Amino acid sequence: QSALTQPASVSGSPGQSITISCTGTSIDVGLFDYVSWYQQVPGKSPKLIIYDVNNRPSGVSNRFSGSKSGNTASLTISGLQSEDEAEYYCSSYINSNTLFVVFGGGTKLTVL
Amino acid sequence: EVQLVQSGGELKKPGESLKISCEGSGYSFTNYWIAWVRQMPGKGLELMGIIYPGDSDTRYSPSFQGQVTISVDRSIRTAYVEWSSLKASDTAIYYCARKASSHYGLDVWGQGTTVTVS
Repeated sequence: QSALTQPASVSGSPGQSITISCTGTSIDVGLFDYVSWYQQVPGKSPKLIIYDVNNRPSGVSNRFSGSKSGNTASLTISGLQSEDEAEYYCSSYINSNTLFVVFGGGTKLTVL
Repeated sequence: EVQLVQSGGELKKPGESLKISCEGSGYSFTNYWIAWVRQMPGKGLELMGIIYPGDSDTRYSPSFQGQVTISVDRSIRTAYVEWSSLKASDTAIYYCARKASSHYGLDVWGQGTTVTVS
């Protein structure tokens, strides 16, 4: 299974909003509403910030939101803060007997 | 507190064997899938495989099938990934993570185990 496609990097200034895209195919992102997003600060473990396209786990800031259109999912971070600087990964359920999810290649967010 | 605690970092030589562990606590260990995720230096996340501790149902990513063995010991609430003959290309951080019960996200992650093969 191929990885989902994300931009290598995005940047924004404090207070601004940014959007990270995650493009899959009709057998993963396009077929299921099971897209998740993870935040990984350097040197730390990934952290789940969005599940099932647009749901936030308890404790995750409402500045993080998710959406999906066709084969592309998106993560939007509003009111950028310096602490948001991290790597962001999307993942999607795929219809396979051997594997539950496939990840995107990751997007480095720089807060200017 | 729900947590996954992984074994410590390892420095091994090519050809050696290795088994790293992931102990779950604070939840019903047998009722949640555990995933193993590889992160090679400076690279992204790759799902290696998943195991259901309740019945040891194990599924491997095609890229990792035959390269590693994932197992579990329910009596000590611990999942494992094992290599029989390490290669330099196995150098990576390995994470275990719990699949949530009601969705496909991985909601709890271990701290990671750094494996260096040199």
